[in-house]
Amino acid sequence: DIVMTQTPLSLSVTPGQPASISCKSSQSLLHSDGKTYLYWYLQKPGQSPQLLIYEVSNRFTGVPDRFSGSGSGTDFTLKISRVEAEDVGVYYCMQSKQLWTFGQGTKVEIK
Amino acid sequence: EVQLVESGGVLVQPGGSLRLSCVASGFTFSNYWMSWVRQAPGKGLEWVANIKQDGSDKYYVDSVKGRFTISRDNAKNSLYLQMNSLRAEDTAVYYCAIAGFWGQGTLVTVSS
Repeated sequence: DIVMTQTPLSLSVTPGQPASISCKSSQSLLHSDGKTYLYWYLQKPGQSPQLLIYEVSNRFTGVPDRFSGSGSGTDFTLKISRVEAEDVGVYYCMQSKQLWTFGQGTKVEIK
Repeated sequence: EVQLVESGGVLVQPGGSLRLSCVASGFTFSNYWMSWVRQAPGKGLEWVANIKQDGSDKYYVDSVKGRFTISRDNAKNSLYLQMNSLRAEDTAVYYCAIAGFWGQGTLVTVSS
């Protein structure tokens, strides 16, 4: 089974400042088809998770460009260039190379 | 607009059974693997089961193997999760999902 490990588990950010979340997988997420199946989700309070980034670095429809994803193999990062109040919630990374596995989640709050 | 609407969550006693349903719209349901994911109160996300487009392949997290069965009816754009021998630790909001879209979830509570 692929294990996903996120750091940090919580983050307090001043509005307008950047934020970064790391996600490491226990195995490479590079599939034989050439794609890397790493996703980032945000679960806002009281809502279902919403997709932010797919296949490492592709922003999903409607996602602001202050969100960016990077990485390869087993190490991945989600960056928010300038945090806004609406960005609060829990961020999850997920792999779908072998079934689905989620990271523990990173709770982001505003200072 | 893509929509996934779950139903069937209720309060059930330990050892009981339940069938969750998810009706999909706004996309070609039969073209997608479908998944169930759950979230226990105050906890993170846990993948539960996946089913291939034609229903021929199914996969489960170890903790539900032998107790839960995922199925689909492509003619009805519907996904199901049959849950048997329910335990307190199965208490969670259950989401129907494809990678890009999730339903609003349905709450299953297992308690006496």
